[in-house]
Amino acid sequence: QVQLQESGPGLVKPSETLSLTCTVSNGSISSYYWSWIRQPPGKGLEWVGYIYYSGSTNYNPSLKSRVTISVDASKNQFSLKLSSVTAADTAVYYCARGASGSNYWGRGTLVTVSS
Amino acid sequence: EIVLTQSPGTLSLSPGERATLSCRASQSVTSNSLAWYQQKPGQAPRLLIYAASSRATGIPDRFSGSGSGTDFTLTISRLEPEDFAVYYCQQFGSSPYTFGQGTKLEIK
Repeated sequence: QVQLQESGPGLVKPSETLSLTCTVSNGSISSYYWSWIRQPPGKGLEWVGYIYYSGSTNYNPSLKSRVTISVDASKNQFSLKLSSVTAADTAVYYCARGASGSNYWGRGTLVTVSS
Repeated sequence: EIVLTQSPGTLSLSPGERATLSCRASQSVTSNSLAWYQQKPGQAPRLLIYAASSRATGIPDRFSGSGSGTDFTLTISRLEPEDFAVYYCQQFGSSPYTFGQGTKLEIK
């Protein structure tokens, strides 16, 4: 069974860059799309973007100027960088496999933006 | 951007009853590119339905999806205690891939 695990700092200062990595185990990162979705505490889900294993990306326009998703196939990982964060970026960040109906998700990691 | 509106916001039912959840899109969702997810507190969403009406692997047949264009429905035929959760629809026919705001299914 494919497993995904998010990792990265749980606390980021305002105006800095949020960086998260998703490690894929029991399966190859090749030949799939890989997504990031976030959920502010007590609120609904927001699609952040996805990357194909070859490197092509699609981002939410509301975040496009600040977000970068990359893939490292040699490590079976993909990553999220979100720059110039504010308190509004505080959320649980999920990584998931697939872009159109994700059937494998990580457990999520809470990132708090605060000084 | 396609806006998905889910109704009702909260649905109060008893185990054994039938649940009908609605997801309405602000414009037509191409190729029925719509999914439904279930989320329980502290857990990641779980995919229930993709392509509007196809059940994901391992999903019980009491869950069914229907609809096309701008109107979609998730039906749970006979509620089990473990079905009480929040349900989200998501469209991926047009970028950005938006989610509905969710329907909370609670025990009456």
